[in-house]
Amino acid sequence: GAGVSQSPSNKVTEKGKDVELRCDPISGHTALYWYRQSLGQGLEFLIYFQGNSAPDKSGLPSDRFSAERTGGSVSTLTIQRTQQEDSAVYLCASSSRGADTQYFGPGTRLTVL
Amino acid sequence: AQSVSQHNHHVILSEAASLELGCNYSYGGTVNLFWYVQYPGQHLQLLLKYFSGDPLVKGIKGFEAEFIKSKFSFNLRKPSVQWSDTAEYFCAVMGPNSGYSTLTFGKGTMLLVSP
Repeated sequence: GAGVSQSPSNKVTEKGKDVELRCDPISGHTALYWYRQSLGQGLEFLIYFQGNSAPDKSGLPSDRFSAERTGGSVSTLTIQRTQQEDSAVYLCASSSRGADTQYFGPGTRLTVL
Repeated sequence: AQSVSQHNHHVILSEAASLELGCNYSYGGTVNLFWYVQYPGQHLQLLLKYFSGDPLVKGIKGFEAEFIKSKFSFNLRKPSVQWSDTAEYFCAVMGPNSGYSTLTFGKGTMLLVSP
């Protein structure tokens, strides 16, 4: 079946602009995760959604970062007033439930000039 | 906080050589352990996982890993590597610090297999 999809695949923006990144999880998966992959920092957890529960935002690096998940499916990660240090690959993953195998999407490469 | 350490950042092997990539984690309690692989230009894929039971876990493409609780280790092995195994390998742990939900990753090991 279809895997996790993300859009856009690449995004180039200017410092100070807002960006939105989208994730479509595997159909039926209740858990959705955002991670960031950057040089020197490796893969870092950002935010986790499980069903209708309040999201775990403990990994968000600043209040410029936010995410929502509409209808328990599609998720959007928003970065406001982008900075150069936000440049990274943003990965989305989903799993059938928490504490289970996570399946990753291809990522969105964000470049902030 | 839990952490994951991968000892080698870069490994270069010739085809048919044996592979062992080290992974140690910091948490002493019950954890779920994973190895993911990222082939050039592709997204992260699950190689194998350990939740409980037999500590020797077999994954795809001939890979295996052994969970040694006393050493807090989950090393990845393959008896004979192929050129197509060239990729970046990530060890990850899921533990009670995150409610057994989110993954904490190691920094990754880039494996280059020369033909």
